[in-house]
This record gives sequence, C-alpha cells and structure tokens, in this order.
Amino acid sequence: GAVVSQHPSRVICKSGTSVKIECRSLDFQATTMFWYRQFPKQSLMLMATSNEGSKATYEQGVEKDKFLINHASLTLSTLTVTSAHPEDSSFYICSAPLARGWYNEQFFGPGTRLTVL
Amino acid sequence: KNEVEQSPQNLTAQEGEFITINCSYSVGISALHWLQQHPGGGIVSLFMLSSGKKKHGRLIATINIQEKHSSLHITASHPRDSAVYICAVRSLTTGAGSYQLTFGKGTKLSVIP
Repeated sequence: GAVVSQHPSRVICKSGTSVKIECRSLDFQATTMFWYRQFPKQSLMLMATSNEGSKATYEQGVEKDKFLINHASLTLSTLTVTSAHPEDSSFYICSAPLARGWYNEQFFGPGTRLTVL
Repeated sequence: KNEVEQSPQNLTAQEGEFITINCSYSVGISALHWLQQHPGGGIVSLFMLSSGKKKHGRLIATINIQEKHSSLHITASHPRDSAVYICAVRSLTTGAGSYQLTFGKGTKLSVIP
C-alpha cells in the first residue's frame, strides 16, 4: 500500500522555540494532506487541511499563526509549531488520501510526539 | 455528544477469543473506516466500508447503513492484536473535494496469552 512518513518521530524542545514536523507521501502524490492532534486517551482531532499551492484550511479553534502549514510540493507538507508551550505537547499525525477507483483511501503517517518542557 | 461512539472503551480478552468492537454514528455517512493504533502511536487503516461486509484474514468488518452501526470482529484473537481500534466516518456533508474524518475515541484491546 501507499506510505506516508513523518519526521521527526519524537521531539523534545524548550518552551518558546519553534518545531517543524514534516509529512511526506513516499510513493504517491497528495494535493491534500490532513494534520491531526491527539492528546492522551483522546481521539484524533483534525487541526487543518493542507492544500498544495494554496493556503491551509484550519479547523475552528486552531490558531493559524501558531500552527503554520506549508504544502510546498505534491509530496511534502510541513507543520511548524511556533513559540511552543507545554500545552502544545501532544501527538501530531498527518494523513493523505489516495484515490482508489471511486473512493479515496486514507493513509496515515506514524506520528510525531512533541514534548515541550 | 460525539458523532461517533465506540463500545466498549476497554476490552480484555484471552488469546483465542472472538472479539467484537462496536461503532455507532449519528450522521449520514459516505464511508466508515476502522483503524488500528499501536502503542507507539502509528495508525494503520484496516478497512474502509460504505456497505455490507469486508474480511481480511482474521478481521471482519460489517456496516448497517440504516441502523448507523458498524462492527469490527477479530477471530482467534492473539496478543499481537493488542492495540487501540478506532472507528472514523466521513459524513455526507463533507465537501466533494474534501476527505475529512470524524473519529471515535477508540477501543483499547488487550489480548492476554
């Protein structure tokens, strides 16, 4: 099946620093990618939809100036957590859809665990 | 109330047992996913359903669109099946160019040898 990778898998940073997370579709092109956040024992929450060549669409309550998304190519989307604070510590997951005939199948990255000290 | 409800939240089973995880949703949907999340966090898509039933190895997924209900079954469960199983739906109100999913909170399955 199709593969989506994320880098880094784990990052620990100091409060106030910025962290960039990469999401790559390795063997297919994705004009759209999704970024999710998952807090412990909670379900995945969609943060934003990343669109290649245009601005990302953010879900209600997600600060676009804090979570910068850039979809620079058909295989790469990046999420930058700016001026990170301990409450931003979470598990961040991306996904990308791939058309399979009449439907789009969703492929998920392995996730990035962010810890802000 | 969450649009997607899963039951049970936690499930412990003996190796070899038949397992059922349920998912109910409150909106019209175009597709339903069953996902598996291992302790490390990575997510694997097990099934995508819009009707009927699908089978892959020891896993079976069924959906009843009229009753807004889906089940995931695991036959002859094994400790390596231990994971969180997540139900996610794509609602009919999602735009044609979008593929946003709404997720349940997951069912944590532990299979004991």
